[in-house]
Amino acid sequence: DIQMTQSPSSLSASVGDRVTITCRTSQSINNFLNWYQQKPTKAPKLLIYAASSLQSGVPSRFSGSGSGTYFTLTISSLQPEDFAAYFCQQTYSTPYTFGQGTKLDIK
Amino acid sequence: EGQLVESGGDLVQPGGSLRLSCVASGFTFSSYSMNWVRQAPGQGLEWLSYISSSSSDIYYADSVKGRFTVSRDNVKHSLYLQMNSLRVEDTAVYYCARWGGLCSGGTCKNWFDPWGQGTLVSVSS
Repeated sequence: DIQMTQSPSSLSASVGDRVTITCRTSQSINNFLNWYQQKPTKAPKLLIYAASSLQSGVPSRFSGSGSGTYFTLTISSLQPEDFAAYFCQQTYSTPYTFGQGTKLDIK
Repeated sequence: EGQLVESGGDLVQPGGSLRLSCVASGFTFSSYSMNWVRQAPGQGLEWLSYISSSSSDIYYADSVKGRFTVSRDNVKHSLYLQMNSLRVEDTAVYYCARWGGLCSGGTCKNWFDPWGQGTLVSVSS
């Protein structure tokens, strides 16, 4: 199984801050990497697919990069609605594993 | 865009069974593969199962293999998860999610979108 290591597990930041979340995989997955946002009591929402492609309707302040075993999700200027949990996921091979999540809260 | 609505979650005793359903609307269900994912209280996301559009390909996580069975009815636009021999550690919100993808040069990149709102399964005596 491909192990996903996401960091940090929690992060406190302010509106307007630039934040970066990282995801490392235990083996190379090319760019078969997705990012999701999840707000409390809600289902996950796709933000970024194939490491760097922005899902339709997602604000351009979200961006993704990386390939191989190292990936990042960056929010360029935090907005109040961005405080949520974020998960990376690989779809390179089954089981389609997720990172343990990053909880982003207001400083 | 599409919408998914799960149902069937309940409180069940250890060793019991439950069948979850996921009804799709707003897209051609029969053209898409589907997945089940769960989230234990306060925990992360765990992929459970994949089923292809025609049910020809099915995969399971080791944690549920032999206990859970995924199926679908394309006429009813529905996805199912039959859960047997339930354990306390199966307590979670269960989500269905559509398998999306983009193919180029013989390679397909895939993702889960959209997701249903989830249904809660509680296993306790």
